[in-house]
Amino acid sequence: GAGVSQSPSNKVTEKGKDVELRCDPISGHTALYWYRQSLGQGLEFLIYFQGNSAPDKSGLPSDRFSAERTGGSVSTLTIQRTQQEDSAVYLCASSFVTGGPPEQFFGPGTRLTVL
Amino acid sequence: RKEVEQDPGPFNVPEGATVAFNCTYSNSASQSFFWYRQDCRKEPKLLMSVYSSGNEDGRFTAQLNRASQYISLLIRDSKLSDSATYLCVVWPLSSNTGKLIFGQGTTLQVKP
Repeated sequence: GAGVSQSPSNKVTEKGKDVELRCDPISGHTALYWYRQSLGQGLEFLIYFQGNSAPDKSGLPSDRFSAERTGGSVSTLTIQRTQQEDSAVYLCASSFVTGGPPEQFFGPGTRLTVL
Repeated sequence: RKEVEQDPGPFNVPEGATVAFNCTYSNSASQSFFWYRQDCRKEPKLLMSVYSSGNEDGRFTAQLNRASQYISLLIRDSKLSDSATYLCVVWPLSSNTGKLIFGQGTTLQVKP
């Protein structure tokens, strides 16, 4: 079956511009997560969605970052007034919610470069 | 101190070698543990869960030492295709959100 998809796969933007990153989770997965991975670093949690609500936004680095999810499916991560330190791979994952630790399935990521 | 710490490596080993990675975690209340594998410029994928009693999956053995708060991954008879970054992952007991805590990864290069 189809896995998690993300678009665009690559995005190059100029400092100060806004960008939108999209994630399509696996059908039926109610939980959705955004992470980012900087060069040589581990994955940094950004935000978690259960359905359309975001009970955990603790990882968003600043108020320039926001995310939404509609219809319990597609999610968009928006970064306003991008800075060079925002350059990273942004990974989306989805999972079932079982009450135990989730097996998270990751998308291929969006590689963001801020010039 | 990072919540999950790993030696980034790289570990360079010949084919057929046995190699072991360790990972330490800081939250003693952590509940569940995993190893994910990430190939170069690809997304992470679950390799195996880590159980208190230790568990094996083919050439891979994972162990958990709660007293010392470390997790290990042993790879026997390593193959060229094992070359990847191995991510140690912790699910904190306090997490009611499914948020996973990732280490920065240990890179393995298996040479012919």
